[in-house]
Amino acid sequence: NAGVIQTPRHKVTGKGQEATLWCEPISGHSAVFWYRQTIVQGLEFLTYFRNQAPIDDSGMPKERFSAQMPNQSHSTLKIQSTQPQDSAVYLCASSLVGNQDTQYFGPGTRLLVL
Amino acid sequence: GQQVKQSSPSLTVQEGGISILNCDYENDMFDYFAWYKKYPDNSPTLLISVRSNVDKREDGRLTVFLNKSGKHFSLHITASQPEDTAVYLCAAGENQGGSAKLIFGEGTKLTVSS
Repeated sequence: NAGVIQTPRHKVTGKGQEATLWCEPISGHSAVFWYRQTIVQGLEFLTYFRNQAPIDDSGMPKERFSAQMPNQSHSTLKIQSTQPQDSAVYLCASSLVGNQDTQYFGPGTRLLVL
Repeated sequence: GQQVKQSSPSLTVQEGGISILNCDYENDMFDYFAWYKKYPDNSPTLLISVRSNVDKREDGRLTVFLNKSGKHFSLHITASQPEDTAVYLCAAGENQGGSAKLIFGEGTKLTVSS
């Protein structure tokens, strides 16, 4: 039974380049969350989809960050014109709708912007 | 502001002792409280959680205590083992507003010495 899958596990980009991070939720889970973890800020909520619809993007930076969930089997987080301060571990989590408290985290994508 | 706070960045306990991890929160609307365990370079995994309608939940060596009037919850680990050494993250959330996002504390690094 595969858990949440995130690809790539590591990504190095140059400043100003675009980065796209992928998440495949656990099969049957229709709630998908994105979080970001840094040493300074800890683990921060970014955005949340339920049944593919965006529900809460209150944690997303207003510029350069976007997220989509085009189908029930994957979600993407895109960062345009990456900056060094975007360097972090980006974590995707999924849960059953109706039990959204119980979130299962993926291994994360470690993004380094040089 | 920091809605969920773990005031102790680290804790050292002797093997066999009781580890007590604490978490304070600000938002009266939180109705779900959880503890996650995180090893270095790994993603958080859910240990135990409670909803606001109970003030205690036990699961093996783990017990969560919730003090709603004090806006405080804690994790007690009895018979602590060296393999309990990890970072423990508390998290809180509310479902009433439609978003199931979790707000995490900064983490407490627990070291169980043998």
